[in-house]
Amino acid sequence: DTAVSQTPKYLVTQMGNDKSIKCEQNLGHDTMYWYKQDSKKFLKIMFSYNNKELIINETVPNRFSPKSPDKAHLNLHINSLELGDSAVYFCASSLWDRVAYGYTFGSGTRLTVV
Amino acid sequence: QKEVEQNSGPLSVPEGAIASLNCTYSDRGSQSFFWYRQYSGKSPELIMFIYSNGDKEDGRFTAQLNKASQYVSLLIRDSQPSDSATYLCAVTPTNTGNQFYFGTGTSLTVIP
Repeated sequence: DTAVSQTPKYLVTQMGNDKSIKCEQNLGHDTMYWYKQDSKKFLKIMFSYNNKELIINETVPNRFSPKSPDKAHLNLHINSLELGDSAVYFCASSLWDRVAYGYTFGSGTRLTVV
Repeated sequence: QKEVEQNSGPLSVPEGAIASLNCTYSDRGSQSFFWYRQYSGKSPELIMFIYSNGDKEDGRFTAQLNKASQYVSLLIRDSQPSDSATYLCAVTPTNTGNQFYFGTGTSLTVIP
């Protein structure tokens, strides 16, 4: 069983479109995250949810809207896609009070905007 | 942005040698420190975490933390070609709600 699963794995779309990425974890974790990794491998936090509550909302355009229907799911919806949104998006999860043991990452979604 | 700095490399070592990867961070109050390995096209996977000054060993890997100098390092002994990957340093600074700040990674190539 995959611990943190993301769908789709690849996403190619045109500028201006709206798309969603889904993430699910079966680890019993209570905290989930979205990270963006650019072409230079830099991983930057976008959002963090703890028990469905938004904890972190970094300086991200409001075209990006996360949604957590329950603590096992964290989805990312992106409106009006731009070329600069092309990147790999990673979902991750952890236990809030055990974060010192690290995150578990999903396999990533490679988004290409053309 | 809490800064985490790594030498991007590439770092090349011969098989069987010791690979030394370094990371410095700006927030003196940082709590926990992590090393992740990322193969090309794959997700980061946790190798080690450390939160006390000194050394922590796990198999061929040793993490070293020096909070006074604000650096953390990873040593890989008896390097293998399968160790070839990008190594990401991550830090949890103070009062950040459990988010990690990552460095840009060091690319390691182990030459057979």
